[in-house]
Amino acid sequence: NAGVTQTPKFRVLKTGQSMTLLCAQDMNHEYMYWYRQDPGMGLRLIHYSVGEGTTAKGEVPDGYNVSRLKKQNFLLGLESAAPSQTSVYFCASSYHYVAGGSYNEQFFGPGTRLTVL
Amino acid sequence: AQKITQTQPGMFVQEKEAVTLDCTYDTSDPSYGLFWYKQPSSGEMIFLIYQGSYDQQNATEGRYSLNFQKARKSANLVISASQLGDSAMYFCAMREAGGGATNKLIFGTGTLLAVQP
Repeated sequence: NAGVTQTPKFRVLKTGQSMTLLCAQDMNHEYMYWYRQDPGMGLRLIHYSVGEGTTAKGEVPDGYNVSRLKKQNFLLGLESAAPSQTSVYFCASSYHYVAGGSYNEQFFGPGTRLTVL
Repeated sequence: AQKITQTQPGMFVQEKEAVTLDCTYDTSDPSYGLFWYKQPSSGEMIFLIYQGSYDQQNATEGRYSLNFQKARKSANLVISASQLGDSAMYFCAMREAGGGATNKLIFGTGTLLAVQP
């Protein structure tokens, strides 16, 4: 099992350029998430999905779009990159929550380091 | 609003000693879950330990234990017999109220632990 993979690992963009980050998981997880990590701010949720074809906004969704056309993939798009979007982006996935069930911890990908000049 | 607070930006500990990383949380939901993740310098997020709000006993996983004080709303991570490989950033996280539908997590800002030989 590869777990959660992210493509690319590093990227440098110029202001105004667009790009798509790809997240793939092979654990048959229902739920998927995109976070950004900035120094001193922990991880903040950008968007998430509770199933194929569904997406929802998280804490910091502005400037990002997502799509979940297949259960195993979750795409994060930046239509017009800004320097404020320089960050490390993490994708995560989990099973759906069952009360009294297992921990349902989120499994994380290795991250994508994005720099916007 | 739900919130996770980690008040220790950085800590030092001598190898083989125990260390406690603080985490306090704020929620009005009686049902919640608390997680600790480790992020080494390589960047990946590693799940360490989980505590459910209704769990009667403090969670333990090897050298990791969770000092869960529900009335004080604290969930401190205790690492016993510290090793050099424990040097990392540690994040406390909480599954949101009503998290059954989304399994979303709220993260603290993290504590950077340095283990000294």
